[in-house]
Amino acid sequence: AQSVAQPEDQVNVAEGNPLTVKCTYSVSGNPYLFWYVQYPNRGLQFLLKYITGDNLVKGSYGFEAEFNKSQTSFHLKKPSALVSDSALYFCAVRSGGSQGNLIFGKGTKLSVKP
Amino acid sequence: NAGVTQTPKFRILKIGQSMTLQCTQDMNHNYMYWYRQDPGMGLKLIYYSVGAGITDKGEVPNGYNVSRSTTEDFPLRLELAAPSQTSVYFCASSFGTGRDEQFFGPGTRLTVL
Repeated sequence: AQSVAQPEDQVNVAEGNPLTVKCTYSVSGNPYLFWYVQYPNRGLQFLLKYITGDNLVKGSYGFEAEFNKSQTSFHLKKPSALVSDSALYFCAVRSGGSQGNLIFGKGTKLSVKP
Repeated sequence: NAGVTQTPKFRILKIGQSMTLQCTQDMNHNYMYWYRQDPGMGLKLIYYSVGAGITDKGEVPNGYNVSRSTTEDFPLRLELAAPSQTSVYFCASSFGTGRDEQFFGPGTRLTVL
């Protein structure tokens, strides 16, 4: 069965500091991995995805994520956090070899303080 | 290009009432989805469609029905509303599945009292 875990309910970061939002997954076969962001009272917005190729994926708003197959992780990172990055972040996974649907993590609330 | 639009934005229902949540996309996407979001629970898939005339159940389909008569529209029907259906509902679409990201609507906040 497919699953995805976001071990932190909340991450607090000072503006200008690097941020990491963690995600681990479990799928059969090769994973397709996604990060989405949700601002208050809005729908989810796509940030980036890993399908194949380079393990470091760059996405919108300066975010990047590193796929680590041995650790089954896909952590979201940004070198310098902004207050406007404060939002709810969702990791999602799908098995590349199946017809299964996208499975979302429970979300991590990122709070960036000035 | 409006993307994915949903109506209404908010709705309060009484137990036992019915309603239809509307969803329309103008990106000519084949795949459409309905999710519900409950606090601290992430998103759960209710129903999805791979094209006009084809729908299938997701993880939590009980109490809901869908139809897909056109590529653009994917309405979600709630019959006999229950307090457990209080949630935020999101419609999404994608060109294909697997590798393609999903585009989300702004959501409908539903309260059943």
